[in-house]
Amino acid sequence: SAVISQKPSRDICQRGTSLTIQCQVDSQVTMMFWYRQQPGQSLTLIATANQGSEATYESGFVIDKFPISRPNLTFSTLTVSNMSPEDSSIYLCSVGREPGDTEAFFGQGTRLTVV
Amino acid sequence: SQQGEEDPQALSIQEGENATMNCSYKTSINNLQWYRQNSGRGLVHLILIRSNEREKHSGRLRVTLDTSKKSSSLLITASRAADTASYFCATVHQGGSEKLVFGKGTKLTVNP
Repeated sequence: SAVISQKPSRDICQRGTSLTIQCQVDSQVTMMFWYRQQPGQSLTLIATANQGSEATYESGFVIDKFPISRPNLTFSTLTVSNMSPEDSSIYLCSVGREPGDTEAFFGQGTRLTVV
Repeated sequence: SQQGEEDPQALSIQEGENATMNCSYKTSINNLQWYRQNSGRGLVHLILIRSNEREKHSGRLRVTLDTSKKSSSLLITASRAADTASYFCATVHQGGSEKLVFGKGTKLTVNP
């Protein structure tokens, strides 16, 4: 299994500001993903964080709003930029050990409230 | 959207009863997975079933997969109050990346 540390666990931010969320894994992983879970909803994939190259964003998500870094195989950050109350969600980091039909491991999530 | 649908959206049962949750999806898959989420925290993987499997067991969990109907069910037997959580199915689709596509989830409440 993989142990994922996600920071911060929660934050309350002013609209118009930005928040960077960190995801640290205890071992090298190939696949790393960022999800958003809006209140009472399911998880929606924001992007796949690619090591050494630009992230791959899903439809509806753009790099200017959600810049992602992945400098190595154990660490990634997601920034939520120019926040508005609609960005209030839980943001989750997920990793897969390698491509294929294996389980995904999740961080505990960052509960973001924008006021 | 490839997102699956779970039903029921919410389920309330008594301890000791069985809980059954269903999941449907839209396109061909490599595998289907079930996850559990406690109170808006991180998800925990419960069980994975591959597209060529029809049934799988893990402890009190039983998962079935019907690829002809594009549906799966999760059965929790002899439920406990500690099983109270939200349960999500997630699929890995054929020909795509390794990303998971999550269903809408079932919120299960087990009353003591």
